[in-house]
Amino acid sequence: RKEVEQDPGPFNVPEGATVAFNCTYSNSASQSFFWYRQDCRKEPKLLMSVYSSGNEDGRFTAQLNRASQYISLLIRDSKLSDSATYLCAVVNSNSGYALNFGKGTSLLVTP
Amino acid sequence: DGGITQSPKYLFRKEGQNVTLSCEQNLNHDAMYWYRQDPGQGLRLIYYSQIVNDFQKGDIAEGYSVSREKKESFPLTVTSAQKNPTAFYLCASSIGQRSNQPQHFGDGTRLSIL
Repeated sequence: RKEVEQDPGPFNVPEGATVAFNCTYSNSASQSFFWYRQDCRKEPKLLMSVYSSGNEDGRFTAQLNRASQYISLLIRDSKLSDSATYLCAVVNSNSGYALNFGKGTSLLVTP
Repeated sequence: DGGITQSPKYLFRKEGQNVTLSCEQNLNHDAMYWYRQDPGQGLRLIYYSQIVNDFQKGDIAEGYSVSREKKESFPLTVTSAQKNPTAFYLCASSIGQRSNQPQHFGDGTRLSIL
């Protein structure tokens, strides 16, 4: 089993829709989790950290389910500008606190 | 502005040649990382450094070398031993050693074989 897995998509949704992505991780001892956004041919940019109690930033909500070892990202009222690849990242304390990344989920928001 | 600067943006390597990718940060971060991204593969860890004059191999270190002589700088050399170097190379840093803080990335170097 890969350490971090995501559905690659693509997810094609109309503007204004709500869309959710899940990401599963294999190391039950993992402590820190993040969502990054990556635009085509650009570097990943931090979207939000994922806290145990769940957290919200505007239209974006992140959740952590430790029992089932997954994190989720919910995007409400999708905008055209939300079109990107969303990368799930889990801190690996065995590798200098480097990040283990999923392969990303591609989102296309259409008019 | 504080940030991570990678150069060059595009780099071409001839067979048998070593090339060095630059990564400089002025964020006063202790930890620095190099990742490689191939299409459809996600990011994979090449090397990391948690403190000056110390660095460790990541998952795919073969054919690469690094140095960490200054806190601000973590250059990556792609040696001729790396047979498939074509990829998008990303440098990242985070605030402290043994930190659960997020990493921030430079804007990357695209390396291709001539």
